[in-house]
Amino acid sequence: QKEVEQNSGPLSVPEGAIASLNCTYSDRVSQSFFWYRQYSGKSPELIMSIYSNGDKEDGRFTAQLNKASQYVSLLIRDSQPSDSATYLCAVSNYGGSQGNLIFGKGTKLSVKP
Amino acid sequence: EAGVTQFPSHSVIEKGQTVTLRCDPISGHDNLYWYRRVMGKEIKFLLHFVKESKQDESGMPNNRFLAERTGGTYSTLKVQPAELEDSGVYFCASSRGWGTTDTQYFGPGTRLTVL
Repeated sequence: QKEVEQNSGPLSVPEGAIASLNCTYSDRVSQSFFWYRQYSGKSPELIMSIYSNGDKEDGRFTAQLNKASQYVSLLIRDSQPSDSATYLCAVSNYGGSQGNLIFGKGTKLSVKP
Repeated sequence: EAGVTQFPSHSVIEKGQTVTLRCDPISGHDNLYWYRRVMGKEIKFLLHFVKESKQDESGMPNNRFLAERTGGTYSTLKVQPAELEDSGVYFCASSRGWGTTDTQYFGPGTRLTVL
């Protein structure tokens, strides 16, 4: 069974610090990797996608992918209280036989002012 | 551009009753997905439509669940009869394609409570 594992947290960091969120996945054929942010009671919102090994930066967010280790991470620099949310890691083998996303349970991040 | 919309936002029903959830995808998105999150668990895939056709329904839990997408626009998910374990948040998502770089946009979800 394909699985995505995340530390459920809560992860608490002070304002201005770097928050590091980690995710591992079990299916080696996974091709696409996503980080969604979900505020309480709201819909998941895509913040980062990554498809190849290495780092991808977008503003304060950096996604890192290591397919050999089946590991993907999200770094949030200069964390703000507004970053407090649950971060969901999702993987897919888009382009293969399936288009659905496989989610982890999410890591709850709390940024303290 | 309007996002994915879902109706109702909340539904409370008794065991054995029927409930129908509706999803309106982003205009022009041929791909529509249903997901579900039950308490304490991860969001899980239910099924995937490409236009009006079911591309993948491997996540549907049992035959009490029926999804339709007539005309390839909005979709409905009917639960009949509802059981206690069906309680959770049902999300709909849509995407233009289902290639490597296609993004799924999620709706706000329908919170279903079965008493």
